[in-house]
Amino acid sequence: AQKITQTQPGMFVQEKEAVTLDCTYDTSDPSYGLFWYKQPSSGEMIFLIYQGSYDQQNATEGRYSLNFQKARKSANLVISASQLGDSAMYFCAMREGYYTGRRALTFGSGTRLQVQP
Amino acid sequence: NAGVTQTPKFQVLKTGQSMTLQCAQDMNHNSMYWYRQDPGMGLRLIYYSASEGTTDKGEVPNGYNVSRLNKREFSLRLESAAPSQTSVYFCASSDRGPDQPQHFGDGTRLSIL
Repeated sequence: AQKITQTQPGMFVQEKEAVTLDCTYDTSDPSYGLFWYKQPSSGEMIFLIYQGSYDQQNATEGRYSLNFQKARKSANLVISASQLGDSAMYFCAMREGYYTGRRALTFGSGTRLQVQP
Repeated sequence: NAGVTQTPKFQVLKTGQSMTLQCAQDMNHNSMYWYRQDPGMGLRLIYYSASEGTTDKGEVPNGYNVSRLNKREFSLRLESAAPSQTSVYFCASSDRGPDQPQHFGDGTRLSIL
């Protein structure tokens, strides 16, 4: 089974509107973390936001927020007031088993967001 | 503010050739990672090093070897390159703590003919 599933290969949004990028995950580890990264056309990976499995509140970082629904195993990224510079690939990733020595991330296949003027 | 530095940025190899991708970080991070990204896909873990002196296999280790030379440097070696190893390779590092993100280099675009 896929650990991280991003069901939207591509999304369009109008400038200044909000957009939600979906991410569902699969793990039996009670302690895990979810990360979102942005990859612009230039290729670098930019960290956006983190949500821990024990965090009571949804994470927020500026225009980015995470809609974390633990029972549904979803961690959707919400971008408010979209800007042209938000056009990029967005990856959801999960870290499991940190306290048992694992540190690496498992990535989803990504969603390409295009912001239209 | 160098962060994670990868060399080279681009490389073209012939099948059967060997090469080493270099990675260095200046953030004093304990953990370092090598990922590959194939077209239209997310990153897949090749090898990682939780701390200096240790390395472990990831999801796709076949055809690769790694060396954690010291705390700063983590190299990836292709002993006999194959066309299936054509990809973009990313090195990353992270600090201690489950909430610490991985910081990525700019990637190495590798083509094997």
